[in-house]
Amino acid sequence: SAVISQKPSRDICQRGTSLTIQCQVDSQVTMMFWYRQQPGQSLTLIATANQGSEATYESGFVIDKFPISRPNLTFSTLTVSNMSPEDSSIYLCSVGKLAGVNYEQYFGPGTRLTVT
Amino acid sequence: GDSVTQMEGPVTLSEEAFLTINCTYTATGYPSLFWYVQYPGEGLQLLLKATKADDKGSNKGFEATYRKETTSFHLEKGSVQVSDSAVYFCALRKYGGSQGNLIFGKGTKLSVKP
Repeated sequence: SAVISQKPSRDICQRGTSLTIQCQVDSQVTMMFWYRQQPGQSLTLIATANQGSEATYESGFVIDKFPISRPNLTFSTLTVSNMSPEDSSIYLCSVGKLAGVNYEQYFGPGTRLTVT
Repeated sequence: GDSVTQMEGPVTLSEEAFLTINCTYTATGYPSLFWYVQYPGEGLQLLLKATKADDKGSNKGFEATYRKETTSFHLEKGSVQVSDSAVYFCALRKYGGSQGNLIFGKGTKLSVKP
């Protein structure tokens, strides 16, 4: 299994500012991901955080808006830049681990962001 | 594109009632199907999964059967408890799809009253 912590757990931010969310895992993992859950919506993959190289972004998400760092195999950050009220969401860190032939995906508790 | 549709909540049941949360999917190929659960204040946890047609996933008294003919993966439990109160998410990953790219439904909130 994997235990994932995120900081902060929630924040209220003013538009135009930026917030960096941290994700820490209790073991080394190859795959780390960032998801967004907008109010009343399902979870959407933002990007895959690659260790030692640039993140891989999904359609509709760009590096300038959501820069991601992955300095090692247990830690990643997601920054939400130049925020607007539309960025109000829950942001979730997720990791993938192989257990034998099975691949399992684990999620952090999320960071609830409100932009005013 | 690929998508997951699950019944809207909230669902409110009395303890020991039978639970069904419907989930249908649209995908090409042969996706793997999942149910995740999110208890209050916690992260999503994998509840059960099925990787091919007619597979039944089960865990903690919950069951779901992969029905390719109806493209469904309904979640059931025979007797719910107050501790089952949570939000349940149905999800799929396409066979051969990139790891991490789970496609989720919108979630169904379940409240179980004593």
